[in-house]
Amino acid sequence: DAGVIQSPRHEVTEMGQEVTLRCKPISGHDYLFWYRQTMMRGLELLIYFNNNVPIDDSGMPEDRFSAKMPNASFSTLKIQPSEPRDSAVYFCASSMGQGVAPGQPQHFGDGTRLSIL
Amino acid sequence: GQSLEQPSEVTAVEGAIVQINCTYQTSGFYGLSWYQQHDGGAPTFLSYNALDGLEETGRFSSFLSRSDSYGYLLLQELQMKDSASYFCAPRGSNYQLIWGAGTKLIIKP
Repeated sequence: DAGVIQSPRHEVTEMGQEVTLRCKPISGHDYLFWYRQTMMRGLELLIYFNNNVPIDDSGMPEDRFSAKMPNASFSTLKIQPSEPRDSAVYFCASSMGQGVAPGQPQHFGDGTRLSIL
Repeated sequence: GQSLEQPSEVTAVEGAIVQINCTYQTSGFYGLSWYQQHDGGAPTFLSYNALDGLEETGRFSSFLSRSDSYGYLLLQELQMKDSASYFCAPRGSNYQLIWGAGTKLIIKP
């Protein structure tokens, strides 16, 4: 079975540019999470969706960040305009049945390594 | 409020046993998960404890004491490939995982 697929794997862009990160969750999973990981702040939950609906976006750092999930098999995280402090590894993860079965693991994609110059 | 404590770094010898402790405080608690992350890789699920006691999966075991808000991950017969960061992640009242800084496990030959 295919895991969570993220693209691009690496992104280097200049400050001020728009960045779009993409994620395809595992088929059948009804929860999707976007995380950011840095050495300084560790792994931070940015936003998560349940059945394509955003449930909690309190971790989104500011209005420059936005996320969408137009259907069950695709989500995007957009940063506009990007800043050097946005440089991090961004992970997408998916899982199923959190409310019914809290032990369901989150499956992570390989991440997007983002560098803003 | 919520808090999570793990040692930042643990060093052990190949073939030995190591225990990584985790104490947590959450508003609502629905179990404790453990994840492994190799340098440059993604977190991968290791185990989940919903009830008190020990869960064993091969060389890895995880323990939970809900009354003490405490858990640990036990790694036996350490191999060099076990060098990684290990995260305990309690599940809080909104069912979502709480992540800390993790424990970097260094294994020496």
